[in-house]
Amino acid sequence: LAKTTQPISMDSYEGQEVNITCSHNNIATNDYITWYQQFPSQGPRFIIQGYKTKVTNEVASLFIPADRKSSTLSLPRVSLSDTAVYYCLVGDPSSASKIIFGSGTRLSIRP
Amino acid sequence: DVKVTQSSRYLVKRTGEKVFLECVQDMDHENMFWYRQDPGLGLRLIYFSYDVKMKEKGDIPEGYSVSREKKERFSLILESASTNQTSMYLCATLGGGRAFSYEQYFGPGTRLTVT
Repeated sequence: LAKTTQPISMDSYEGQEVNITCSHNNIATNDYITWYQQFPSQGPRFIIQGYKTKVTNEVASLFIPADRKSSTLSLPRVSLSDTAVYYCLVGDPSSASKIIFGSGTRLSIRP
Repeated sequence: DVKVTQSSRYLVKRTGEKVFLECVQDMDHENMFWYRQDPGLGLRLIYFSYDVKMKEKGDIPEGYSVSREKKERFSLILESASTNQTSMYLCATLGGGRAFSYEQYFGPGTRLTVT
């Protein structure tokens, strides 16, 4: 099972771009990379998923280098409401049993 | 939109009581999960079910059991609640088969306190 490593916490300011990097050195061929966001007293919410290169949606971008041993979640122009815990997951989509959440990155946005 | 509901947002039980946490989903998803979340430990998988009456242990199944008699309902059972089971419990679903998605949908959580 691919284990992920993320920073425990990050701070930034409103209007800045925030990049959170996740390390997953033993990612397998069939593994996808998925990011979730969690606010206090709520369940996690899916943000973005990718396999390689770059994926972008209305919320974030996900950058994955060619070796796929790391990935970077990019949040453009953050606001106070982006303060949350962000989880990086790596796993084979066809194997539900292999979804593993790490401890996540606590992102704090300041005015 | 997928809707995942949990029977209670807050629950207080006494040590030794039998506790039932219910989760219901409306998207016909094959896979359902129970996690617990504790400060500094992230989400830890207790059990998951990939079909009716089918289940697999997650990382921390001790002290818990589950029941899935209908596709839309997944129950977590604490046979004899203990204080170390005080936690936030989160239910999630995941589409499978032709409807496969790697996007888990989470319920709002149940904060259980065992005294």
